[in-house]
Amino acid sequence: NAGVTQTPKFQVLKTGQSMTLQCAQDMNHEYMSWYRQDPGMGLRLIHYSVGAGITDQGEVPNGYNVSRSTTEDFPLRLLSAAPSQTSVYFCASSYYGKGFRSGNTIYFGEGSWLTVV
Amino acid sequence: KQEVTQIPAALSVPEGENLVLNCSFTDSAIYNLQWFRQDPGKGLTSLLLIQSSQREQTSGRLNASLDKSSGRSTLYIAASQPGDSATYLCAVRGSQGNLIFGKGTKLSVKP
Repeated sequence: NAGVTQTPKFQVLKTGQSMTLQCAQDMNHEYMSWYRQDPGMGLRLIHYSVGAGITDQGEVPNGYNVSRSTTEDFPLRLLSAAPSQTSVYFCASSYYGKGFRSGNTIYFGEGSWLTVV
Repeated sequence: KQEVTQIPAALSVPEGENLVLNCSFTDSAIYNLQWFRQDPGKGLTSLLLIQSSQREQTSGRLNASLDKSSGRSTLYIAASQPGDSATYLCAVRGSQGNLIFGKGTKLSVKP
């Protein structure tokens, strides 16, 4: 079982460059999301999706773009990287629909470490 | 706006000790609460999920309780082991279905 797979695991970018963090899950989960984790700030939601073609903003969406063309994939795009986007990024997924809010374990990827210089 | 607080931020205990980690949240209108474990350089592993209608959940040496009316949850770890050393995160699922996390408690269990 692959679960939630994130690539790349490590990336160094120069300020102003763009890149895409990839996230794929093989559990047929409708719900997918991206979080960033910073020291002293905990995990904060960037964007989320409850199905193909449906996305919405989380707490810290500025500077990031997402799309959901398939159930399996939920890429996160950094449009013009800034040093403030240096962070660890986590993708997560779970089932959605009846029982979503009351149950359904959420699964996390291993994380992507991004440094913007 | 929902806020989740975890106390203490760090904890160091000798092996074999029973311990309690605390989590509090400001809005009692939650759907569920989850406890996660995070090892250094790794992702999050779900430990226990308590639905809003439940009072507690148990898994092995772990027991989590939920008092929704007072906005509190505790994670009890019995007979701690060095392998329990990790950061423990509490998260509540709010009205939009997304998880809102606390900043975690870093646990160190000394042999």
